[in-house]
Amino acid sequence: DAGVIQSPRHEVTEMGQEVTLRCKPISGHDYLFWYRQTMMRGLELLIYFNNNVPIDDSGMPEDRFSAKMPNASFSTLKIQPSEPRDSAVYFCASSLSFGQGYEQYFGPGTRLTVT
Amino acid sequence: SQQGEEDPQALSIQEGENATMNCSYKTSINNLQWYRQNSGRGLVHLILIRSNEREKHSGRLRVTLDTSKKSSSLLITASRAADTASYFCATDTSGTYKYIFGTGTRLKVLA
Repeated sequence: DAGVIQSPRHEVTEMGQEVTLRCKPISGHDYLFWYRQTMMRGLELLIYFNNNVPIDDSGMPEDRFSAKMPNASFSTLKIQPSEPRDSAVYFCASSLSFGQGYEQYFGPGTRLTVT
Repeated sequence: SQQGEEDPQALSIQEGENATMNCSYKTSINNLQWYRQNSGRGLVHLILIRSNEREKHSGRLRVTLDTSKKSSSLLITASRAADTASYFCATDTSGTYKYIFGTGTRLKVLA
């Protein structure tokens, strides 16, 4: 398996622009997580899905952030409009609810820079 | 807010030495995991320990869990330069699959 795939790997955009980050989880995994990592705040859980349904979005910082999972093999995290303080590395991770027991597999991340 | 906090924040040792890092958490847990992150990469799962377990081993890794003290430790024996990375603990407090990550320990192993 190719592992969790994220695109783009790097994104540089201007303040006010819309940003869409994409994630393809490992085939067969039924949980998908979006995290944000910064030096100041560490690794923060933004939202997670189970079987394509959002379970907990309490970590989404504000209404400018939205996430969707239209099917089991694809998820997006959208920021509209983007702000400089959104600059961070965004990780997607997936896991299987049984068998392997909670282990999360992380993608390589998307480094977002908002100028 | 952070559930887990690692200690020390940074650690520098010589190759061949053992490295110990600690994680303290605030509320009762079901499971605790340790992850490694190499610079510029995603996190990689190392080991999971359940709340009813006290110690687990995996290769050169040894993890202990003391639920009475709400703490865990990760020991890397005979460290190598390739072990240079940040190490995070992650705790699941609610019986769901939501894990909260700690602040991390930056380990540097000098060749």
